[in-house]
Amino acid sequence: QVHLVQSGVEVKKPGASVKVSCKASDYTFTNYGVSWVRQAPGQGLEWMGWISGDGGDTDYAQTFQGRVSMTTDTSTSTAYMELRSLRSDDTAVYYCARVSVTGTSALDYWGQGTLVTVSS
Amino acid sequence: DIQMTQSPSSLSASVGDRVTIACQASQDIRNYLNWYQQKPGKAPKLLIYDASNLETGVPSRFSGSGSGTDFSFTISSLQPEDIATYYCQHYDNVPLTFGGGTTVEIK
Repeated sequence: QVHLVQSGVEVKKPGASVKVSCKASDYTFTNYGVSWVRQAPGQGLEWMGWISGDGGDTDYAQTFQGRVSMTTDTSTSTAYMELRSLRSDDTAVYYCARVSVTGTSALDYWGQGTLVTVSS
Repeated sequence: DIQMTQSPSSLSASVGDRVTIACQASQDIRNYLNWYQQKPGKAPKLLIYDASNLETGVPSRFSGSGSGTDFSFTISSLQPEDIATYYCQHYDNVPLTFGGGTTVEIK
């Protein structure tokens, strides 16, 4: 059974950065990509971008261009999402999800989510 | 970017009722449409992919249909455990976008 396990709760001050990890298991990591989706409190789902498992391809939503970086570590089958210059409206649960190697497909397995709170 | 419009935003129905949710894309997305269920405090779960294919292990009371710009999602007989928010999502290109969600409650 595929598993995606994310890092724990983060509390950050405005202007800081956060890096969330997503460790995959029980599938060939480089045969798929990882998408990142966030959900602000009481709101819907917002796609942030995706990265191929080998880290060679990325695509970020325009909303996050210049503030987000997605990377992978194939030796540990782990994906990372770093968001910089945090603002209060970045407070959200951040999810990783498995996606096809092209980045366009269903998101068939999801991590448990990581709550990031941005507050002074 | 392709916009996904879901309706209604919420609904209340009785156990055993047939429930239908609509999702409209701002342009032709062929059948590149998925449906997810999200229960409070949990990650979304894929129910339907490619507009009408049931994900493995998902009960057969869930179904999806449509192509092009107009899609629908149906629960044939609503059960108490189906209380959740449902989202459509296209994958015709990036950025992937989601509908605004439909919250289903028991009357």
